[in-house]
Amino acid sequence: DTEVTQTPKHLVMGMTNKKSLKCEQHMGHRAMYWYKQKAKKPPELMFVYSYEKLSINESVPSRFSPECPNSSLLNLHLHALQPEDSALYLCASSQGQQLSDTQYFGPGTRLTVL
Amino acid sequence: AQKVTQAQTEISVVEKEDVTLDCVYETRDTTYYLFWYKQPPSGELVFLIRRNSFDEQNEISGRYSWNFQKSTSSFNFTITASQVVDSAVYFCALSCFGNEKLTFGTGTRLTIIP
Repeated sequence: DTEVTQTPKHLVMGMTNKKSLKCEQHMGHRAMYWYKQKAKKPPELMFVYSYEKLSINESVPSRFSPECPNSSLLNLHLHALQPEDSALYLCASSQGQQLSDTQYFGPGTRLTVL
Repeated sequence: AQKVTQAQTEISVVEKEDVTLDCVYETRDTTYYLFWYKQPPSGELVFLIRRNSFDEQNEISGRYSWNFQKSTSSFNFTITASQVVDSAVYFCALSCFGNEKLTFGTGTRLTIIP
């Protein structure tokens, strides 16, 4: 079973709102990722958690705050976003034992910031 | 530095035709991994294949086949007897040993015309 789930599927928020995106996997993977994808562009890496510790932050603005409560869950907390942050947010996971393991992606959350 | 080039931005073919999607990569590493992902309109990135740099054997999976040629730094993807369900954006990606990051190409939008 190579399933990564994400909630919600769609999210509309104002610039003053606080919301969270959730990602879950039950494959025993130890690395989890957040990507941002704008229309007609490839995904851009935002954060990597390896064994529940933040290992990569691609200079993402602090209005995006990741959290990894345990090895199966990954959250992305959103606060004071801008309209240009509207995008598809994809979560992925990989085994984490080798640094080039296959990443399996979730269905994404389509975020609209008004 | 790693780079992936997918020169074909959009391709349209009539159903049942064969189609090849091109992927050219650049890396100085001798150990690396190449991937293909499919992204249908629903948004989820679906993993198709992973190859390592030491395995140049071509692979066939049903109607899908992949041609890996280190001499030309290419990893091309062919769909035989295309179907409407093959319509999607296809991304080629590269990961180098010791680096968790996936470098994506810009994607090829494939449309299969019934």
